[in-house]
Amino acid sequence: AQSVTQPDIHITVSEGASLELRCNYSYGATPYLFWYVQSPGQGLQLLLKYFSGDTLVQGIKGFEAEFKRSQSSFNLRKPSVHWSDAAEYFCAVIPSGYALNFGKGTSLLVTP
Amino acid sequence: NAGVTQTPKFRILKIGQSMTLQCTQDMNHNYMYWYRQDPGMGLKLIYYSVGAGITDKGEVPNGYNVSRSTTEDFPLRLELAAPSQTSVYFCAIRDGPGGYTFGSGTRLTVV
Repeated sequence: AQSVTQPDIHITVSEGASLELRCNYSYGATPYLFWYVQSPGQGLQLLLKYFSGDTLVQGIKGFEAEFKRSQSSFNLRKPSVHWSDAAEYFCAVIPSGYALNFGKGTSLLVTP
Repeated sequence: NAGVTQTPKFRILKIGQSMTLQCTQDMNHNYMYWYRQDPGMGLKLIYYSVGAGITDKGEVPNGYNVSRSTTEDFPLRLELAAPSQTSVYFCAIRDGPGGYTFGSGTRLTVV
C-alpha cells in the first residue's frame, strides 16, 4: 500500500545539537515531497519541498532535506536546533492526483 | 494563513447535532481540501474538490458531506455528530504547482 512513514514518534534533542527527522515513502514513482511544521495550537507551515533536480533542498528556518531515491527517503535536518524549533513535524507526499498524503508526524522536544 | 478562512475556530457539539464548518478562499483556486487531524495520526483527507460542482471522497469521508457551489466556498457538513468526530479540521487550497495553503483550523469537540 502507498504510505508515508515517520518512524520516530518523539525525538528529544539538546539545544544547539544537530537534528535529523526521518521520512520514508512507498510509492511506485518519485512523488512530490514536503516537510511541514506545526507549533502547538497552530496551523501548518511549509518548511521545504522537493519536486525534482538537486536532491538537497534548502528550506526556511535553517532546515534542509535530502532526497535519496535508493532509500525512498526524504530526511529533514538542521545543524543546530533552537528551543523555538520544538513542534510537530510532518512529512507529506503527493503520489499522484491532487491531495497531500501525510505521515503521522514526529514531535520534537528541545531541552536546555 | 492569509487567503483561507475557516470558521468557527472552536465548537462544542452534542452527540447527534449537526453543524457546518465553513471554508472560504479569496484566491480563486480550483483545488480545495478538508483534512482532520487527530493526535498521533497526522492529517487525513476527508473530501476534496477540483472545482465548483466537483467533489470527491478522500480517505475518511464517512459521517461528512461537502458541497462546492462556488469557487470560493467549500463547506464541510456533519449531519449527526459522534464523539469519533472530535478532531481538529483543516481546510486547504492548492495554490500552485505543489503549493498548498492551510487555514488556521477548527477545533471540534463532540460530547
